[in-house]
Amino acid sequence: GAVVSQHPSRVICKSGTSVKIECRSLDFQATTMFWYRQFPKQSLMLMATSNEGSKATYEQGVEKDKFLINHASLTLSTLTVTSAHPEDSSFYICSARGDTGTGYEQYFGPGTRLTVT
Amino acid sequence: RKEVEQDPGPFNVPEGATVAFNCTYSNSASQSFFWYRQDCRKEPKLLMSVYSSGNEDGRFTAQLNRASQYISLLIRDSKLSDSATYLCVVNAQAGTALIFGKGTTLSVSS
Repeated sequence: GAVVSQHPSRVICKSGTSVKIECRSLDFQATTMFWYRQFPKQSLMLMATSNEGSKATYEQGVEKDKFLINHASLTLSTLTVTSAHPEDSSFYICSARGDTGTGYEQYFGPGTRLTVT
Repeated sequence: RKEVEQDPGPFNVPEGATVAFNCTYSNSASQSFFWYRQDCRKEPKLLMSVYSSGNEDGRFTAQLNRASQYISLLIRDSKLSDSATYLCVVNAQAGTALIFGKGTTLSVSS
């Protein structure tokens, strides 16, 4: 299957700082990327959908000024958590969708575990 | 009502047991259905797609009932390595995001 990478895999930051998470499709062009968040013992919750070259569409309750999403190329999307607070500590997972040669499917990155102290 | 509902479990079964998971979804217009597996602190991985005719992959059998908006997963001859959280996933429309259930935790013991 296609490969999606995320970086970093784990990050610890202090309250008030900003953190950038990268999501890359390594062997296909991702026309759409999705960002999810998962709190302990909870399901994955969609935060936003981003299409290459256009503004991201955020789900209700997700602050677009706090969670900045950029999808500037067909292989890279970034999520920046601005002025992070302890309640932002979570597992952030991206998924990418594009023509992998075997069809349009969604592939998940390995996730980024954010801890805000 | 949540979009995708699952019994969270946990299901604790011995090796060799047969276990069944159920899931219901609220959007009758949903088009695609999946079971994903998620290991602790890892990303979800696709286990199998679910088709109206029912489909089987080795020890795993998935069923879909569109009229009842109900999806099931049957695991036969459980292995220790089957221990994980199983996520029921629905896609309303091709190209849109996947909608995840909360997951059902399975623990298989020797």
